[in-house]
Amino acid sequence: QSALTQPASVSGSPGQSITISCTGTSSDVGSYNLVSWFRQRPGKAPKLMIYEVTKRPSGVSNRFSGSKSGNTASLTISGLQAEDEADYYCCSYAGSSTYVVFGGGTQLTVL
Amino acid sequence: QVQLQESGPGLVKPSETLSLTCAVSGDSIDYYYWSWIRQPPGKGLEWIGRIYYTGSTNYNPSLKSRATMSVDTSKNHFSLKLSSVTAADTAVYYCARDLIKYQMLNAFDIWGQGTLVTVSS
Repeated sequence: QSALTQPASVSGSPGQSITISCTGTSSDVGSYNLVSWFRQRPGKAPKLMIYEVTKRPSGVSNRFSGSKSGNTASLTISGLQAEDEADYYCCSYAGSSTYVVFGGGTQLTVL
Repeated sequence: QVQLQESGPGLVKPSETLSLTCAVSGDSIDYYYWSWIRQPPGKGLEWIGRIYYTGSTNYNPSLKSRATMSVDTSKNHFSLKLSSVTAADTAVYYCARDLIKYQMLNAFDIWGQGTLVTVSS
């Protein structure tokens, strides 16, 4: 069982917006602005899409945005495209004893 | 362009020690935090641990002290040893770099391609 809870799957049509939630606790997501999001396509290494809750690395489309409220972080993808179909994982700092926790992953299907 | 390459045996026997190395090319290993992350077949990601170029380490407590990481700045690589392995340690093992020098952000921006390690007799 993963430390952070994500929906197993989400779906959307091209052009729509979708949001993936990542629920933790006051010991991880709720206490630190160190939430990252990764996209993983089949057979490939994950790719960093969002870090520090809202920041986008250079080269990542502005269709990807992050936010946080309380113990839940969210990744929103706007203007959904077929190429967005992948697994998405959230990750959070969890303090100086546990350090880093991942969510179980969400499979995004573009209909 | 920074690249990471994992190397090590693809098959390890139960109770033995898994050993992997991550070679860093295109930039110095200095000033960054480096992590090992694994993914069992068909499952999610699990953080194993992190090392700074100085040798300072943090580990996932769920591994119960079986993990040991080291760094060799002269060779620009870092390594992972995982002792007393079982079938549950079968996974693709990735090495990864944190995005910004000097900072532990869990923003793993550069990843190796991953290497599958199978634990079986």
